Amino acid sequence: NAGVTQTPKFQVLKTGQSMTLQCAQDMNHNSMYWYRQDPGMGLRLIYYSASEGTTDKGEVPNGYNVSRLNKREFSLRLESAAPSQTSVYFCASSEAGGGAQETQYFGPGTRLLVL
Amino acid sequence: GENVEQHPSTLSVQEGDSAVIKCTYSDSASNYFPWYKQELGKRPQLIIDIRSNVGEKKDQRIAVTLNKTAKHFSLHITETQPEDSAVYFCAARTSGGYNKLIFGAGTRLAVHP
Repeated sequence: NAGVTQTPKFQVLKTGQSMTLQCAQDMNHNSMYWYRQDPGMGLRLIYYSASEGTTDKGEVPNGYNVSRLNKREFSLRLESAAPSQTSVYFCASSEAGGGAQETQYFGPGTRLLVL
Repeated sequence: GENVEQHPSTLSVQEGDSAVIKCTYSDSASNYFPWYKQELGKRPQLIIDIRSNVGEKKDQRIAVTLNKTAKHFSLHITETQPEDSAVYFCAARTSGGYNKLIFGAGTRLAVHP
Protein backbone atom coordinates (compact mmCIF):
# COMPACT_ATOMS: atom_id res chain seq x y z
CA ASN A 1 0.00 0.00 0.00
CA ALA A 2 1.26 3.45 -0.94
CA GLY A 3 -0.93 5.10 1.73
CA VAL A 4 -1.60 8.76 0.91
CA THR A 5 0.08 10.17 -2.19
CA GLN A 6 0.24 13.75 -3.43
CA THR A 7 1.25 15.39 -6.69
CA PRO A 8 3.14 17.50 -7.48
CA LYS A 9 5.89 17.53 -4.86
CA PHE A 10 6.92 21.08 -5.67
CA GLN A 11 5.38 23.86 -7.73
CA VAL A 12 6.19 27.47 -8.53
CA LEU A 13 3.35 29.72 -9.65
CA LYS A 14 3.04 33.34 -10.63
CA THR A 15 0.42 35.49 -8.92
CA GLY A 16 -2.94 34.96 -10.58
CA GLN A 17 -2.19 31.54 -12.03
CA SER A 18 -4.33 28.56 -11.15
CA MET A 19 -3.44 25.01 -10.28
CA THR A 20 -4.85 21.83 -8.77
CA LEU A 21 -3.13 19.77 -6.09
CA GLN A 22 -3.94 16.09 -6.32
CA CYS A 23 -4.32 13.62 -3.44
CA ALA A 24 -5.14 9.93 -3.47
CA GLN A 25 -5.34 7.24 -0.80
CA ASP A 26 -5.45 3.47 -1.17
CA MET A 27 -6.55 2.62 2.39
CA ASN A 28 -10.28 2.67 1.62
CA HIS A 29 -10.71 5.59 4.01
CA ASN A 30 -13.95 7.52 4.12
CA SER A 31 -12.65 10.91 5.24
CA MET A 32 -10.04 13.14 3.61
CA TYR A 33 -8.53 16.51 4.57
CA TRP A 34 -6.40 19.33 3.18
CA TYR A 35 -4.07 21.28 5.49
CA ARG A 36 -1.56 24.02 4.98
CA GLN A 37 1.58 24.32 7.08
CA ASP A 38 3.30 27.64 7.61
CA PRO A 39 6.33 28.31 9.85
CA GLY A 40 5.36 28.79 13.48
CA MET A 41 1.67 28.10 12.82
CA GLY A 42 1.31 24.36 12.86
CA LEU A 43 -1.17 22.73 10.51
CA ARG A 44 -4.38 24.52 9.59
CA LEU A 45 -7.35 22.78 8.04
CA ILE A 46 -8.46 24.20 4.69
CA TYR A 47 -11.26 21.82 3.68
CA TYR A 48 -12.33 18.32 4.55
CA SER A 49 -14.56 15.63 3.15
CA ALA A 50 -16.26 13.42 5.71
CA SER A 51 -17.34 10.95 3.05
CA GLU A 52 -17.60 10.61 -0.70
CA GLY A 53 -19.90 13.30 -2.07
CA THR A 54 -19.51 15.75 0.82
CA THR A 55 -17.10 18.61 1.48
CA ASP A 56 -16.94 21.25 4.22
CA LYS A 57 -14.88 24.29 5.08
CA GLY A 58 -12.13 24.20 7.66
CA GLU A 59 -10.33 27.05 9.40
CA VAL A 60 -8.82 28.76 6.32
CA PRO A 61 -10.93 28.01 3.20
CA ASN A 62 -10.72 31.41 1.48
CA GLY A 63 -9.03 31.24 -1.94
CA TYR A 64 -9.44 27.47 -2.28
CA ASN A 65 -11.92 25.00 -3.72
CA VAL A 66 -12.02 21.23 -3.38
CA SER A 67 -13.47 18.27 -5.21
CA ARG A 68 -14.01 14.78 -3.79
CA LEU A 69 -13.73 13.01 -7.11
CA ASN A 70 -14.41 9.54 -5.70
CA LYS A 71 -13.62 7.67 -2.50
CA ARG A 72 -9.89 7.60 -3.30
CA GLU A 73 -9.24 11.12 -4.58
CA PHE A 74 -9.58 14.60 -3.09
CA SER A 75 -8.20 17.59 -5.01
CA LEU A 76 -7.48 21.17 -3.92
CA ARG A 77 -7.72 24.00 -6.43
CA LEU A 78 -6.26 27.47 -6.29
CA GLU A 79 -8.18 29.56 -8.83
CA SER A 80 -6.01 32.69 -8.65
CA ALA A 81 -2.85 32.12 -6.63
CA ALA A 82 -1.58 34.80 -4.26
CA PRO A 83 1.81 35.08 -2.50
CA SER A 84 -0.02 34.47 0.82
CA GLN A 85 -0.75 30.96 -0.43
CA THR A 86 2.94 30.07 -0.43
CA SER A 87 3.01 27.12 1.94
CA VAL A 88 3.41 23.39 2.29
CA TYR A 89 0.14 21.58 1.63
CA PHE A 90 -0.63 18.24 3.24
CA CYS A 91 -3.44 15.89 2.40
CA ALA A 92 -4.61 13.41 5.03
CA SER A 93 -7.17 10.63 5.33
CA SER A 94 -8.90 8.70 8.09
CA GLU A 95 -11.12 5.65 8.10
CA ALA A 96 -13.99 7.41 9.82
CA GLY A 97 -14.65 10.26 12.18
CA GLY A 98 -15.06 8.57 15.52
CA GLY A 99 -14.19 5.64 17.69
CA ALA A 100 -10.86 3.97 17.01
CA GLN A 101 -10.74 4.96 13.36
CA GLU A 102 -10.06 8.67 13.68
CA THR A 103 -6.30 8.54 13.16
CA GLN A 104 -5.34 10.81 10.32
CA TYR A 105 -2.59 9.64 7.96
CA PHE A 106 -0.71 12.29 6.06
CA GLY A 107 0.68 12.41 2.55
CA PRO A 108 4.25 13.60 1.78
CA GLY A 109 3.21 17.19 1.09
CA THR A 110 3.32 19.65 -1.81
CA ARG A 111 5.61 22.64 -1.48
CA LEU A 112 4.05 25.63 -3.28
CA LEU A 113 5.79 28.92 -4.00
CA VAL A 114 3.75 31.81 -5.39
CA LEU A 115 5.79 34.67 -6.83
CA GLY B 1 -12.76 30.34 17.98
CA GLU B 2 -11.29 27.06 19.11
CA ASN B 3 -7.56 26.99 19.61
CA VAL B 4 -4.71 24.89 20.98
CA GLU B 5 -1.71 26.51 22.61
CA GLN B 6 1.57 24.59 22.75
CA HIS B 7 4.68 25.27 24.85
CA PRO B 8 7.58 25.53 24.58
CA SER B 9 8.22 26.40 20.96
CA THR B 10 11.77 25.06 21.19
CA LEU B 11 13.30 22.56 23.60
CA SER B 12 16.91 21.47 23.86
CA VAL B 13 17.93 18.49 26.01
CA GLN B 14 20.90 16.21 26.49
CA GLU B 15 20.65 12.62 25.37
CA GLY B 16 19.14 10.54 28.15
CA ASP B 17 17.22 13.42 29.72
CA SER B 18 13.42 13.69 29.72
CA ALA B 19 11.43 16.13 27.61
CA VAL B 20 7.96 17.49 28.36
CA ILE B 21 5.73 19.39 25.94
CA LYS B 22 2.48 20.97 27.15
CA CYS B 23 -0.73 21.91 25.37
CA THR B 24 -3.94 23.60 26.44
CA TYR B 25 -7.19 23.57 24.47
CA SER B 26 -10.22 25.82 24.52
CA ASP B 27 -13.11 23.55 23.47
CA SER B 28 -14.31 21.74 26.59
CA ALA B 29 -16.14 19.22 24.37
CA SER B 30 -12.91 18.02 22.71
CA ASN B 31 -12.56 14.27 23.21
CA TYR B 32 -9.54 13.12 21.20
CA PHE B 33 -5.95 14.34 21.48
CA PRO B 34 -3.27 13.02 19.09
CA TRP B 35 0.43 13.86 19.04
CA TYR B 36 2.36 13.96 15.76
CA LYS B 37 6.10 13.90 15.11
CA GLN B 38 7.46 15.59 12.00
CA GLU B 39 11.06 15.11 10.93
CA LEU B 40 12.65 17.69 8.68
CA GLY B 41 11.11 17.60 5.21
CA LYS B 42 8.84 14.70 6.09
CA ARG B 43 5.15 14.22 6.73
CA PRO B 44 3.62 14.36 10.25
CA GLN B 45 3.26 10.91 11.77
CA LEU B 46 1.11 9.90 14.73
CA ILE B 47 3.16 8.79 17.73
CA ILE B 48 0.51 8.52 20.45
CA ASP B 49 -3.05 9.63 21.13
CA ILE B 50 -5.41 9.79 24.10
CA ARG B 51 -9.16 9.98 24.46
CA SER B 52 -11.07 11.97 27.03
CA ASN B 53 -12.11 8.93 29.06
CA VAL B 54 -8.46 8.14 29.86
CA GLY B 55 -6.09 10.13 32.09
CA GLU B 56 -2.79 8.68 30.95
CA LYS B 57 -1.41 6.47 28.20
CA LYS B 58 2.07 5.09 27.78
CA ASP B 59 3.96 3.49 24.88
CA GLN B 60 7.55 2.56 25.70
CA ARG B 61 9.45 5.84 26.18
CA ILE B 62 6.57 8.15 25.42
CA ALA B 63 3.52 8.95 27.52
CA VAL B 64 0.66 11.39 27.35
CA THR B 65 -1.36 12.76 30.26
CA LEU B 66 -4.71 14.52 30.09
CA ASN B 67 -6.35 16.83 32.63
CA LYS B 68 -9.88 17.51 31.36
CA THR B 69 -10.70 19.92 34.18
CA ALA B 70 -7.77 22.15 33.33
CA LYS B 71 -8.13 21.45 29.57
CA HIS B 72 -4.49 20.54 29.48
CA PHE B 73 -2.50 17.60 28.05
CA SER B 74 1.20 16.83 27.92
CA LEU B 75 3.69 14.65 26.06
CA HIS B 76 6.49 13.08 28.06
CA ILE B 77 9.54 11.51 26.40
CA THR B 78 11.97 9.69 28.68
CA GLU B 79 15.55 8.61 27.95
CA THR B 80 15.70 10.86 24.90
CA GLN B 81 17.80 9.84 21.92
CA PRO B 82 19.16 11.90 19.00
CA GLU B 83 16.55 10.32 16.71
CA ASP B 84 13.85 11.94 18.86
CA SER B 85 14.94 15.29 17.39
CA ALA B 86 11.98 16.61 15.38
CA VAL B 87 9.01 18.96 15.57
CA TYR B 88 6.16 17.69 17.70
CA PHE B 89 2.55 18.82 17.25
CA CYS B 90 -0.33 18.36 19.63
CA ALA B 91 -3.91 18.50 18.39
CA ALA B 92 -7.44 18.42 19.74
CA ARG B 93 -10.54 17.23 17.93
CA THR B 94 -13.20 19.91 18.00
CA SER B 95 -16.85 19.34 18.71
CA GLY B 96 -17.84 21.54 15.79
CA GLY B 97 -17.18 19.19 12.91
CA TYR B 98 -16.44 15.74 11.69
CA ASN B 99 -13.05 14.64 13.08
CA LYS B 100 -11.72 18.16 12.66
CA LEU B 101 -8.37 18.62 14.39
CA ILE B 102 -7.00 21.91 15.69
CA PHE B 103 -3.20 21.79 15.88
CA GLY B 104 -0.79 23.53 18.20
CA ALA B 105 2.01 25.58 16.66
CA GLY B 106 4.62 22.88 17.29
CA THR B 107 7.68 22.30 19.48
CA ARG B 108 11.10 21.86 17.93
CA LEU B 109 12.95 19.31 20.07
CA ALA B 110 16.72 18.99 19.77
CA VAL B 111 18.45 16.10 21.55
CA HIS B 112 22.19 16.60 21.84
CA PRO B 113 24.53 13.58 22.14
